Amino acid sequence: DVKVTQSSRYLVKRTGEKVFLECVQDMDHENMFWYRQDPGLGLRLIYFSYDVKMKEKGDIPEGYSVSREKKERFSLILESASTNQTSMYLCASSLVGNPMETQYFGPGTRLLVL
Amino acid sequence: AQTVTQSQPEMSVQEAETVTLSCTYDTSESDYYLFWYKQPPSRQMILVIRQEAYKQQNATENRFSVNFQKAAKSFSLKISDSQLGDAAMYFCAYRGNTPLVFGKGTRLSVIA
Repeated sequence: DVKVTQSSRYLVKRTGEKVFLECVQDMDHENMFWYRQDPGLGLRLIYFSYDVKMKEKGDIPEGYSVSREKKERFSLILESASTNQTSMYLCASSLVGNPMETQYFGPGTRLLVL
Repeated sequence: AQTVTQSQPEMSVQEAETVTLSCTYDTSESDYYLFWYKQPPSRQMILVIRQEAYKQQNATENRFSVNFQKAAKSFSLKISDSQLGDAAMYFCAYRGNTPLVFGKGTRLSVIA
């Protein structure tokens, strides 16, 4: 089974802190994604990556950056956390090439910024 | 840009009954794919069912089936013989030439 893991289930940070959210997948997937999930807004795509060292902006990239130095790992970085970044963050991965291929999701990180 | 609309923020169903969750989408693409994902409370999101737009036959996975109306741009999910384990957030998603676009979700409660 595909496994997507995220470094923390719950995280509490202070405004202005630099925050790293880590995601690791074990199935050699090329594609990796970061979403944020907010009640009433669904999932919104922050960034995605099709390969190592490649990144593409999603719908809401402002205030975030990403890093993909290894194929299995995709990091989301909040350079200076703000209270409006309090949210659930979901990582996902998928194979490239087959558009019917499902995305596999991690368990999510619930981030609270105080 | 493509959009996905789930007009029912919350639904409830009696155990063993049937429920239909609605989803509509807006696109100018002719080739695309549609998905329903399930997110149980405090658990990972998983794929429920998927449909290729060029296939007229509605997809079915055990108790889950879809009613795909391409002209109406509608992709509803029918859950038959509802079980307590079906209680979850359900997200409809669209994929064309861009990454998945999700609807805002429908929270389904199952009443024993």
